[in-house]
Amino acid sequence: AQKITQTQPGMFVQEKEAVTLDCTYDTSDPSYGLFWYKQPSSGEMIFLIYQGSYDQQNATEGRYSLNFQKARKSANLVISASQLGDSAMYFCAMREGPERGYQKVTFGTGTKLQVIP
Amino acid sequence: GAVVSQHPSWVICKSGTSVKIECRSLDFQATTMFWYRQFPKQSLMLMATSNEGSKATYEQGVEKDKFLINHASLTLSTLTVTSAHPEDSSFYICSARYTGSGANVLTFGAGSRLTVL
Repeated sequence: AQKITQTQPGMFVQEKEAVTLDCTYDTSDPSYGLFWYKQPSSGEMIFLIYQGSYDQQNATEGRYSLNFQKARKSANLVISASQLGDSAMYFCAMREGPERGYQKVTFGTGTKLQVIP
Repeated sequence: GAVVSQHPSWVICKSGTSVKIECRSLDFQATTMFWYRQFPKQSLMLMATSNEGSKATYEQGVEKDKFLINHASLTLSTLTVTSAHPEDSSFYICSARYTGSGANVLTFGAGSRLTVL
């Protein structure tokens, strides 16, 4: 079974609009964390936002927010006020195990976001 | 902030030769580093987890003798692709677990694109 599922291979959004990228996960470990990364065409992986399984509030980082619904095992990324520079691949990832000593992070298949002027 | 340097960015080699890729954490100590492989337009596939001073843990299906990983110091891990063949051509990207942020975020190198002729 897939640990991380991203069901949207591609998304379009109008500049200045908000967009939600979906991510669902599967784990039986009570301690886990969810990451979102952005990968532009250059290939580098840019960290965007993190949510720990024990965090009470949804994570926010500037224009990025994570809609964490633990019971539904979803961790959707919301990008507000989209910019042309947001066009990239977006990956959801999960670490399982203790926060300070995890040994594995698995990635979803990614969503290609294109921002339209 | 956490910076991971990966070298070389690009490498072209002849079939049968070996190629070494270096991954360095520049401003923090990384007891654990992760090596990923990414095919065009696909997700990151975890190859192995590299722990300083001990043998790497390889994922199922990854040939240990083909992809040699050494993590001799707290700031350096190397991946050697031995007797490379065209099917080894890929984008290899390393990451390190950065504890300074408190969230143990994975920080990535810029990746190494290997082309085997």
